[in-house]
Amino acid sequence: DAGITQSPRYKITETGRQVTLMCHQTWSHSYMFWYRQDLGHGLRLIYYSAAADITDKGEVPDGYVVSRSKTENFPLTLESATRSQTSVYFCASRGGAGANVLTFGAGSRLTVL
Amino acid sequence: AQSVTQLDSQVPVFEEAPVELRCNYSSSVSVYLFWYVQYPNQGLQLLLKYLSGSTLVESINGFEAEFNKSQTSFHLRKPSVHISDTAEYFCAVSGGATNKLIFGTGTLLAVQP
Repeated sequence: DAGITQSPRYKITETGRQVTLMCHQTWSHSYMFWYRQDLGHGLRLIYYSAAADITDKGEVPDGYVVSRSKTENFPLTLESATRSQTSVYFCASRGGAGANVLTFGAGSRLTVL
Repeated sequence: AQSVTQLDSQVPVFEEAPVELRCNYSSSVSVYLFWYVQYPNQGLQLLLKYLSGSTLVESINGFEAEFNKSQTSFHLRKPSVHISDTAEYFCAVSGGATNKLIFGTGTLLAVQP
């Protein structure tokens, strides 16, 4: 399917467990982003990537790890999940530096018990 | 660094009434400005954007926003709202070398019959 897909859409896990959220886009967009959405905070940037093997921190990177071995994939890993990481996570992508419009995935709702 | 302020967390309005959702931004460089809409349980969709040129931009469903550089604002307006416009609206700014998109905290537009 064309577009940007996130999996899983819903995940419940326990404190201390490792969780990976997947993001896949079919456009060969250079830039990919991970945001988390929390009530009262809007969307906050966790990490972003300008190209394969290039990643950088956003506003709230602590507790998260990303990788970008292939252009189309940008997984987000919580190495040891905490309750404060309960949130809705959105992946987004856009084309090169001259393109400014982000396209978002449908989101992954993560609950950490 | 850029930042976005959406002062109104909720805006209740009756159907067919006009509405304005406020957005102010802060940036030391030239910016691009966006409004995204999020319908319940969905991801974010681009509503409209200002990149350059005319300061008044319009969406296909009757919303418009005006870039005001002197007031650092990008307020969203619609002359007559519908029930189907009920959603959360996010203002966002990007600019500078990385072009990261920074979001405001969102405004819930609640249209009542």
